[in-house]
Amino acid sequence: NAGVMQNPRHLVRRRGQEARLRCSPMKGHSHVYWYRQLPEEGLKFMVYLQKENIIDESGMPKERFSAEFPKEGPSILRIQQVVRGDSAAYFCASSPRQGHEQYFGPGTRLTVT
Amino acid sequence: DQQVKQNSPSLSVQEGRISILNCDYTNSMFDYFLWYKKYPAEGPTFLISISSIKDKNEDGRFTVFLNKSAKHLSLHIVPSQPGDSAVYFCAASLDTGGTSYGKLTFGQGTILTVHP
Repeated sequence: NAGVMQNPRHLVRRRGQEARLRCSPMKGHSHVYWYRQLPEEGLKFMVYLQKENIIDESGMPKERFSAEFPKEGPSILRIQQVVRGDSAAYFCASSPRQGHEQYFGPGTRLTVT
Repeated sequence: DQQVKQNSPSLSVQEGRISILNCDYTNSMFDYFLWYKKYPAEGPTFLISISSIKDKNEDGRFTVFLNKSAKHLSLHIVPSQPGDSAVYFCAASLDTGGTSYGKLTFGQGTILTVHP
């Protein structure tokens, strides 16, 4: 059973460009979470999605950030007009049901130049 | 507001000895706690969890203790091995049954180094 997959593993964007981060949950998992880790900090919750629904986006910045988890295909975290402060590691996690242990992907390291 | 705190940024232990990692939390609504291990350039790996209705959970070399009155949990690793060297994060989630259920709040992490 393949684990959580994220791509790309590394992404470099110039200020003002868009970044798209993809996450494929583990087979049988319908709950997806996105977290961000800034340098020297712990992981911070961004958004929680189930298929086609955003359940909790309380950790997501109000502007430039959006997330989706369509019926078919991976979950996408989209950052528009990136700024240097968006440089971080973005982790996706999945779980088979709400409240269960979450299993993390390897992360996407975004660098904004 | 840091609701989950790991006050020791690092811990160094001799191989074969016990490693004790500590975590404190402030939100009394947290009712499920987890420990994750993380290697550089990888995602966190789930280690062990505990529900607030228990005070101890054991899985092989790993034991988690929960003291609800003190809002404190600890992870014991016995015996410690060099391969255990990593960053350890504690995390907590709320049992509100609402939209925050399942969202994890992480501590800052503790770097564990196990010397041969």
